[in-house]
Amino acid sequence: SQTIHQWPATLVQPVGSPLSLECTVEGTSNPNLYWYRQAAGRGLQLLFYSVGIGQISSEVPQNLSASRPQDRQFILSSKKLLLSDSGFYLCAWSVGTGGNQPQHFGDGTRLSIL
Amino acid sequence: AQSVTQLGSHVSVSEGALVLLRCNYSSSVPPYLFWYVQYPNQGLQLLLKYTSAATLVKGINGFEAEFKKSETSFHLTKPSAHMSDAAEYFCAVSDFGANNLFFGTGTRLTVIP
Repeated sequence: SQTIHQWPATLVQPVGSPLSLECTVEGTSNPNLYWYRQAAGRGLQLLFYSVGIGQISSEVPQNLSASRPQDRQFILSSKKLLLSDSGFYLCAWSVGTGGNQPQHFGDGTRLSIL
Repeated sequence: AQSVTQLGSHVSVSEGALVLLRCNYSSSVPPYLFWYVQYPNQGLQLLLKYTSAATLVKGINGFEAEFKKSETSFHLTKPSAHMSDAAEYFCAVSDFGANNLFFGTGTRLTVIP
C-alpha cells in the first residue's frame, strides 16, 4: 500500500533562517506531488505541484521554492523565512491525469516563525 | 475556473442528530467532487468522492453525499452524529483532465454531548 511521510512534524525557526521540509511517497511510481499551506482558520492554499522529476509548477508568488530530485521525493525550501511563512504545511500525492483520482495527504508540518 | 463554496464555517449539532454540511460547486462541466476530514494537527483524510457514477456516494464513518447537478451541490450528511465526528470538513472539486483540486474554506463541525 502507498504511504506518505512528512518531516519534521513541528518546526520553530527564526525570521531570516533557511527552511527545508521533506516529503516522500512509498508504494507508487510517478505520482503527482503537491505542497499546500494552511493558515490558522483558513482553507488550503496550493503552493506547488509536480507531475514528474524536475517539473515544478508554482501557483502563487512567494518566498518559497520546491524541488523534486527523485520520483517520490518533494522538498519545500526557503533561503530566508518571513513571519508570514508561518502555517501548517501539507504534502499530498495523487496518480493519473484524469482529475478523478483523490489526493492523499501527509500528516503535515507545523511551522512557527519567531 | 472551478471553485467550491462551503456555507457555514461552523456547524454545531447534538450527539445523535443529523449532520448536514453544505457544498456548492461552480463548474461549466460535471466535475469530480471530494469530501475530506481533518482532525486537529493532522492531514486531510478522504471521506468520499463523486466521479460521475452513482449520484449518491457512500463514504467512510457513515457519511454520504449526493451529487445534484440541478442545484450544483454536493452536500455531506450523516444520520446520527458521534462525538468522534468533531473535526473540520473540506469539499474539493476538480475537472476532467485536471491535476489540481480546488478546496473550499472548510466547515468546522462541533458535536454537543
